Amino acid sequence: GIQVEQSPPDLILQEGANSTLRCNFSDSVNNLQWFHQNPWGQLINLFYIPSGTKQNGRLSATTVATERYSLLYISSSQTTDSGVYFCAVAKGGGADGLTFGKGTHLIIQP
Amino acid sequence: GAVVSQHPSRVICKSGTSVKIECRSLDFQATTMFWYRQFPKQSLMLMATSNEGSKATYEQGVEKDKFLINHASLTLSTLTVTSAHPEDSSFYICSASRQGKGGYTFGSGTRLTVV
Repeated sequence: GIQVEQSPPDLILQEGANSTLRCNFSDSVNNLQWFHQNPWGQLINLFYIPSGTKQNGRLSATTVATERYSLLYISSSQTTDSGVYFCAVAKGGGADGLTFGKGTHLIIQP
Repeated sequence: GAVVSQHPSRVICKSGTSVKIECRSLDFQATTMFWYRQFPKQSLMLMATSNEGSKATYEQGVEKDKFLINHASLTLSTLTVTSAHPEDSSFYICSASRQGKGGYTFGSGTRLTVV
């Protein structure tokens, strides 16, 4: 199956800092999503981004499908950004389950 | 759009009993739903793929007789943990994809504690 590697595994930053999270995957995919898991376990979908670049407020993401990696950028971090960020991929277009990376645990200190 | 509702959010049960978790797509029809499990401080692992009107497909290492999946309609899939044991305590979460719309939507998850 597809392998998904995320880096860094842990990241501690001061409020206001910028960060870049990386996701490498081992095969071509038709689905790639970035999620933020809050302390209650809920998965918040940040981006559906199998290729290209998207932006949503302070967050943006870029996927270079030909090189099999994706980046999630968080600018001007806030304490509410703390949590675990997961990258997940699937080869199919809705018939395959997602393969998740191990996540990046982000802590934003005030 | 593309809302997935999951109930219950938390459940505590005694060892040896069974627990049913429901996953509903509220505003779309989902021919395929997925069930994941997450142990503390770990990632999400796909357990099974639930197909409307047919048998579920289980990932390697997942006991199909312990984790019964029923997908009887286009908007409802259920996961029943049978004869639960403390090692089944985990966070279970379902998801579905909306046809023609990229990406998967997740329910809010169920935290199961077996005592």
